[in-house]
Amino acid sequence: QSVLTQPPSVSGAPGQRVTISCTGSNSNIGAGYDVHWYQQLPGTAPKLLISGNSNRPSGVPDRFSGSNSGTSASLAITGLEAQDEADYYCQSYDSSLSGVVFGGGTKLTVL
Amino acid sequence: EVQLVESGGGLVKPGGSLRVSCAASGFTFSNAWMSWVRQGPGKGLEWVGRIKSIGDGGTTDYAAPLKGRFSISRDDSINTLYLQMNSLRTEDTAVYYCTTQPGILREMDVWGQGTTVTVSS
Repeated sequence: QSVLTQPPSVSGAPGQRVTISCTGSNSNIGAGYDVHWYQQLPGTAPKLLISGNSNRPSGVPDRFSGSNSGTSASLAITGLEAQDEADYYCQSYDSSLSGVVFGGGTKLTVL
Repeated sequence: EVQLVESGGGLVKPGGSLRVSCAASGFTFSNAWMSWVRQGPGKGLEWVGRIKSIGDGGTTDYAAPLKGRFSISRDDSINTLYLQMNSLRTEDTAVYYCTTQPGILREMDVWGQGTTVTVSS
């Protein structure tokens, strides 16, 4: 069971907007530790998508955005494209565990 | 081009040991803080541990369940990161990725392609 909770799956049609939640607690997201997001395409290594809650690395389309509030964070994807079909993971730091924690991952299906 | 290339994975029996490596290029490895992350078959990502640069003390931190069995080290003379795994269990079967991570609160911005470790009799 992951310290950060993500929905196992989400889906949307091309062009639509989807959001993926990442729910933590007062020892991680709620404590103000940054949340980072990764995209893992089938059969490949994860790739950094969002850093520091809402910052997009160079090359990441502005269709991807991150936000957080309280003990939760969210990744939003607008203008859904077939190539967005992947697994998405959130990551933060947990002070109780004194270590890095990941969400369990969310599989995005583009209908 | 910034690149991380893992190697050394393979099949090992339960109770055995294995050391995997990560060759870095395209950046100043000696200044980099590095982490290992693993992913079991069909499972999510799990942080293994991290090592600071030698200039920042070279200290290591590990995920609590792995402390004592896993050890991270580095050889800056050949730009290589290592993960020594002892007393391996079947549940350690995973793809092991090395990553750059500027600080333990920070993002993992560069990932290798991973090396597969299978623990089985």
